[in-house]
Amino acid sequence: AQKVTQAQTEISVVEKEDVTLDCVYETRDTTYYLFWYKQPPSGELVFLIRRNSFDEQNEISGRYSWNFQKSTSSFNFTITASQVVDSAVYFCALSEDTGNQFYFGTGTSLTVIP
Amino acid sequence: NAGVTQTPKFRVLKTGQSMTLLCAQDMNHEYMYWYRQDPGMGLRLIHYSVGEGTTAKGEVPDGYNVSRLKKQNFLLGLESAAPSQTSVYFCASSYATGVIHETQYFGPGTRLLVL
Repeated sequence: AQKVTQAQTEISVVEKEDVTLDCVYETRDTTYYLFWYKQPPSGELVFLIRRNSFDEQNEISGRYSWNFQKSTSSFNFTITASQVVDSAVYFCALSEDTGNQFYFGTGTSLTVIP
Repeated sequence: NAGVTQTPKFRVLKTGQSMTLLCAQDMNHEYMYWYRQDPGMGLRLIHYSVGEGTTAKGEVPDGYNVSRLKKQNFLLGLESAAPSQTSVYFCASSYATGVIHETQYFGPGTRLLVL
């Protein structure tokens, strides 16, 4: 079974619209860590956020915000007032407390249309 | 700081050829990782290292070997390349906190085509 599921393969929005990227994870550990990475067309992977399982506080960073809900095993990412530069593939990832593995979702490709 | 660098950026191999991908980091990170990225599959962990002289298998280790002779370098080897190993390979590194929970910093990737 997939540890991290990003059900949205591709999303297109018009500039200035808000968009939410979904991430659902699966783990039996009580301690775990969740991440979001951005991969722009240039190909590099850019770290966006890290959140541990004990910190359910939502986070806002400029136009970016993250909603962590343990009850639904979700860690969703919202971009407010999207811009063309937000066009990229976004990956959600999980690291569990047991074992030394790092699981990525399959990514959501976001296209912001000017 | 250069961060994480990868050599080469692009390579074409014939089936059966061997090659080594080099990853170098200048952040004094203990942990280093090799991933492959395939369309529709996300990133999958091949091997990782929690310190100089130590390596361990990830999710998809078959067909690859690694070595970490120096803390700053992590080598990924393909002894006999197969078309199924056509992929984009990413190296990453992170600080050590006992387990791999810290943020990973990625290199720019190496595109490998096996004919």
